[in-house]
Amino acid sequence: DQQVKQNSPSLSVQEGRISILNCDYTNSMFDYFLWYKKYPAEGPTFLISISSIKDKNEDGRFTVFLNKSAKHLSLHIVPSQPGDSAVYFCAASEGDKIIFGKGTRLHILP
Amino acid sequence: NAGVTQTPKFQVLKTGQSMTLQCAQDMNHNSMYWYRQDPGMGLRLIYYSASEGTTDKGEVPNGYNVSRLNKREFSLRLESAAPSQTSVYFCASSELPPRGNSPLHFGNGTRLTVT
Repeated sequence: DQQVKQNSPSLSVQEGRISILNCDYTNSMFDYFLWYKKYPAEGPTFLISISSIKDKNEDGRFTVFLNKSAKHLSLHIVPSQPGDSAVYFCAASEGDKIIFGKGTRLHILP
Repeated sequence: NAGVTQTPKFQVLKTGQSMTLQCAQDMNHNSMYWYRQDPGMGLRLIYYSASEGTTDKGEVPNGYNVSRLNKREFSLRLESAAPSQTSVYFCASSELPPRGNSPLHFGNGTRLTVT
């Protein structure tokens, strides 16, 4: 039973526009939510996180929004750049464990 | 600063063979993790060690064993490899249990093929 769901396997966005990646979760006990970025042949790298008691966190071009009532979070990247082309994983933590979604492949088009 | 180092980078095994995947971190982190990544399945947690001397099962522990050798090292053992264990394996560490501002730091993975 998947607790963290990324329902879009891929997304294409024009360079300079906004990229919006979505994530849904089922476990109301998750206390932090995180986004990781992964390039081919490398390990994932941490991007940004948000506590379950907040609804927004911003870091440069990256903003994460959390809607607890809908059990939904999203990552906004503005403006999108070619180096943003990667697989993005949504993750959620409960205690000592982090559970990941299946990932969304983002293609930034020239 | 090496971060999280995994060895080997690539391995091919025959069904029934055993092997140990090695992981070491030099960041003095307390918690260490093993994940596997399969196409269309994302990252799935196999085992984790919240602190030296403790290990716990994750989402997909069957067919694996782990050893937290010391604070730096956390190994993953396949006793009798099966084709279903063909995957990319990632080791990760974090300073604290990964809540918020203690994110996971990943190694670059071990690509394992079982024939």
